[in-house]
Amino acid sequence: KQEVTQIPAALSVPEGENLVLNCSFTDSAIYNLQWFRQDPGKGLTSLLLIQSSQREQTSGRLNASLDKSSGRSTLYIAASQPGDSATYLCAVKEADSSYKLIFGSGTRLLVRP
Amino acid sequence: SQTIHQWPATLVQPVGSPLSLECTVEGTSNPNLYWYRQAAGRGLQLLFYSIGIDQISSEVPQNLSASRPQDRQFILSSKKLLLSDSGFYLCAWIGGAVGIFGPGTRLTVL
Repeated sequence: KQEVTQIPAALSVPEGENLVLNCSFTDSAIYNLQWFRQDPGKGLTSLLLIQSSQREQTSGRLNASLDKSSGRSTLYIAASQPGDSATYLCAVKEADSSYKLIFGSGTRLLVRP
Repeated sequence: SQTIHQWPATLVQPVGSPLSLECTVEGTSNPNLYWYRQAAGRGLQLLFYSIGIDQISSEVPQNLSASRPQDRQFILSSKKLLLSDSGFYLCAWIGGAVGIFGPGTRLTVL
């Protein structure tokens, strides 16, 4: 059974700092991995998607990497801003035909002005 | 582009009352649709998914049920709510590579 773990559970950093969020998964047979952002009381917004054959994806100040063989992904946020404060969730899509997204429990990020 | 609508946005219900949450999708046909629940301070738990009309798969035994009467409509129901049903319910469309989520329904059972 696929399990997704995110570390740390919460993170507080001063504005301008670069930071890394970690995601690990137990079964490397994934179709892709996706990072989402969730603001309090809101739905999820997709940030980056990495296919199983890819190593990384970049969007603006965000960079996500994937090491499928070791079951790990990182989300790197450069020059953090208070507007980056949110919960960040990673999810893996299993490689079978079920089309399920399995989520980690998230990292709650606070960027202090 | 695909859009997911959910209603109501918030709901407060007494224990033992029925529940009906609705999700509709625009911008795609024959979507794979999902219901997730997020308890306070926790991750998303997959409840049900559907690959087509009247085709529902349940992930965990629970007090809830799901139905898909139309291609772009997915309904989450309960005959009698429990306190443990409180949470944030999210409907999602997962097509090909990406997952798109609705705005969610905050359910509080008192």
